[in-house]
Amino acid sequence: KAGVTQTPRYLIKTRGQQVTLSCSPISGHRSVSWYQQTPGQGLQFLFEYFSETQRNKGNFPGRFSGRQFSNSRSEMNVSTLELGDSALYLCASSILAGVAYNEQFFGPGTRLTVL
Amino acid sequence: KQEVTQIPAALSVPEGENLVLNCSFTDSAIYNLQWFRQDPGKGLTSLLLIQSSQREQTSGRLNASLDKSSGRSTLYIAASQPGDSATYLCAVRPGRDDKIIFGKGTRLHILP
Repeated sequence: KAGVTQTPRYLIKTRGQQVTLSCSPISGHRSVSWYQQTPGQGLQFLFEYFSETQRNKGNFPGRFSGRQFSNSRSEMNVSTLELGDSALYLCASSILAGVAYNEQFFGPGTRLTVL
Repeated sequence: KQEVTQIPAALSVPEGENLVLNCSFTDSAIYNLQWFRQDPGKGLTSLLLIQSSQREQTSGRLNASLDKSSGRSTLYIAASQPGDSATYLCAVRPGRDDKIIFGKGTRLHILP
């Protein structure tokens, strides 16, 4: 079974630009969560989508947004990039059923560098 | 507000030793707790998931325990190997549909 995939793996952008990251969950998983990881703040939750609806949201400004498609693939978008947005962005999928309800499986991440 | 702490932030031990990594959380009312491993610059690999009703879970050389009343979980690694070198993260889910809360991790280095 293929794992969680994220594209692109690396991105370099300049301040003020916008960026879109993509995540494909494990087949059969309908929940997708996004996280930002930085050396200073560690792993912070951005948002979670299930069946194309946002279920949970972290404490990030409105420049961070996401969506989920009917095939469970998800995208996150960051507008008006700032230097502090440089981070590893991780996506995780889970199956909201059974004993392993909401066990998170992570993708390899997208490394975003803002210059 | 649930907070998750992992101490120490870094640990070095000689190869072959058994070791324990610690995770503490402030609110004992949790749904589950998950241990992850992260290699430098990579994503997270799920190691063990412990449900609120469970006391421990085992996978190979790894054993994770959960004591909700004291707000603690430990990850025991037997017969450590250089390949175990990584950052180990503990994550708590307060309620079934709540967002997951991560500790800052323990960076483990196994000395050959």
